[in-house]
Amino acid sequence: DTGVSQNPRHKITKRGQNVTFRCDPISEHNRLYWYRQTLGQGPEFLTYFQNEAQLEKSRLLSDRFSAERPKGSFSTLEIQRTEQGDSAMYLCASSLLGQPNEQYFGPGTRLTVT
Amino acid sequence: GENVEQHPSTLSVQEGDSAVIKCTYSDSASNYFPWYKQELGKGPQLIIDIRSNVGEKKDQRIAVTLNKTAKHFSLHITETQPEDSAVYFCAASETSYDKVIFGPGTSLSVIP
Repeated sequence: DTGVSQNPRHKITKRGQNVTFRCDPISEHNRLYWYRQTLGQGPEFLTYFQNEAQLEKSRLLSDRFSAERPKGSFSTLEIQRTEQGDSAMYLCASSLLGQPNEQYFGPGTRLTVT
Repeated sequence: GENVEQHPSTLSVQEGDSAVIKCTYSDSASNYFPWYKQELGKGPQLIIDIRSNVGEKKDQRIAVTLNKTAKHFSLHITETQPEDSAVYFCAASETSYDKVIFGPGTSLSVIP
């Protein structure tokens, strides 16, 4: 498999619970991005990593959100104390610095908070 | 920060006709403009991109144009086919490895 993979594909949780999503980028891609997409909208940037370093975080990433990429390979995105407004598709993308270096997206994890 | 607008929000064309989607951006620092196609239940897929040193780029039935002075860029799909039906997003970023700012999307329907 040469694409970006994300797990789980779907997650239903109750308000107040914690959830964690995983993203496995394309092998050797050193940049990894997280985006959030709500119904009928374009993806919104959340954060990105170069290797294991988190280089930028959006204002959308409240203190209930935390992302890690401990060994510069896969990444996790955790949401604590989920709220109904967190319901969305969480997309991961990866890219390789150099040419070509466009971002390749995974299929996303759809989160529903009840 | 960057803001990308996109029109129309929905577009319906007959198979074989052309489709045009137009976008504007606000940040003059943006230099990379990718276009993504998203099918139901899938993540966005890059279909074509253009950099600020190029005014036009073509790949088979798809072409993009960029007017940096006016901060406008457009996607043209010729000889549309039913499989072109999807949501299309324009986007902008400073470089191809920075965060990408997406437009709100255009839902394209190609009627057989």
